[in-house]
Amino acid sequence: DGGITQSPKYLFRKEGQNVTLSCEQNLNHDAMYWYRQDPGQGLRLIYYSQIVNDFQKGDIAEGYSVSREKKESFPLTVTSAQKNPTAFYLCASSIDGGSEAFFGQGTRLTVV
Amino acid sequence: DAKTTQPNSMESNEEEPVHLPCNHSTISGTDYIHWYRQLPSQGPEYVIHGLTSNVNNRMASLAIAEDRKSSTLILHRATLRDAAVYYCILRKNTGTASKLTFGTGTRLQVTL
Repeated sequence: DGGITQSPKYLFRKEGQNVTLSCEQNLNHDAMYWYRQDPGQGLRLIYYSQIVNDFQKGDIAEGYSVSREKKESFPLTVTSAQKNPTAFYLCASSIDGGSEAFFGQGTRLTVV
Repeated sequence: DAKTTQPNSMESNEEEPVHLPCNHSTISGTDYIHWYRQLPSQGPEYVIHGLTSNVNNRMASLAIAEDRKSSTLILHRATLRDAAVYYCILRKNTGTASKLTFGTGTRLQVTL
């Protein structure tokens, strides 16, 4: 079935370590997005990519990095520079603004 | 980017209709109006979207004001499974994928 897959569902890391979250889609969508959600809050945009080998910062990009080497994949690295990395991370993809966006089930990252 | 304004929370009785409002007074002519909902610990789910005319699908109806400065998501018969946070979002259809920015949404509570 077509869809968007995030892995792992839960992730624990020690403070000061970089960690990479996976996001894969087989929907042939050009655009992909990464969001962060804190408890009781809405989604905040970290990075987005409109096409392979291109990406733009969202509203809260500091402490994060991304790559878009393949259309299907948009991994997010949470670096040690991110001061408060514990959160729920969501990945999405879409064709264009006139079409629906598809979301993964999220990765809950806990840094101890 | 054009902003949307939604009430923080609403309540409904089961099997009654629910009207969820959204104000977007700075909407531009190229903005689509999208609605998503999010259940606890899950990624957002697409509900419906439209441009100028009212839209219906199996999940809901979208009523768009004539001046497009507001819209209303209508759930015709609320069920307990409709309890979620509902987000109203504006997206540009620029031919390539556009930024997808979420607000704080409306938390819908459905009671027996």
